Amino acid sequence: DGGITQSPKYLFRKEGQNVTLSCEQNLNHDAMYWYRQDPGQGLRLIYYSQIVNDFQKGDIAEGYSVSREKKESFPLTVTSAQKNPTAFYLCASSILLGRTYEQYFGPGTRLTVT
Amino acid sequence: AQRVTQPEKLLSVFKGAPVELKCNYSYSGSPELFWYVQYSRQRLQLLLRHISRESIKGFTADLNKGETSFHLKKPFAQEEDSAMYYCALSGSGAGSYQLTFGKGTKLSVIP
Repeated sequence: DGGITQSPKYLFRKEGQNVTLSCEQNLNHDAMYWYRQDPGQGLRLIYYSQIVNDFQKGDIAEGYSVSREKKESFPLTVTSAQKNPTAFYLCASSILLGRTYEQYFGPGTRLTVT
Repeated sequence: AQRVTQPEKLLSVFKGAPVELKCNYSYSGSPELFWYVQYSRQRLQLLLRHISRESIKGFTADLNKGETSFHLKKPFAQEEDSAMYYCALSGSGAGSYQLTFGKGTKLSVIP
């Protein structure tokens, strides 16, 4: 596997601390996304970015922040304002194929906050 | 608002039996529908999309606009099909780059 990398695979933090999750892609995709995956909840969109220096809130953006300074990178910061941060976080990027965007996913980061 | 519903959290079938994973959607325009799969210890990956009308690993899915459904089917289940399956929808035009996922169905194929 290559293309989209997320680090670290597991992350542990104390409550009240901000933490930044890394996402890098070498697929030359314009759009990138952050999802949160919880058991029984499916994937929920946190933030997405269509181009460099631009991003939009998804369905559950509260308590999260992002930046998109480079095409290859889309880091996610989980702030202390996020009430329930323990989850599995997935990063994705997409390319237009015909009239639809096909999303490619990273391996994920499991964040545990205690 | 767009929504994807997968009514079954868990589906267990015997090896060799037919499989049908249900997916219903609500969307006011012309949606694009996808099935994603997540095998154990692997990343989420695209299985198939309705616009391609293809069969991947023996799975097919037909978009039924009248019933707003996109059920995933396979005539004979294999043990290696055991995985988490997600149905997803994207809109058209400006909304085509976003995906709305269902909550997923865990398929367990019993040997």
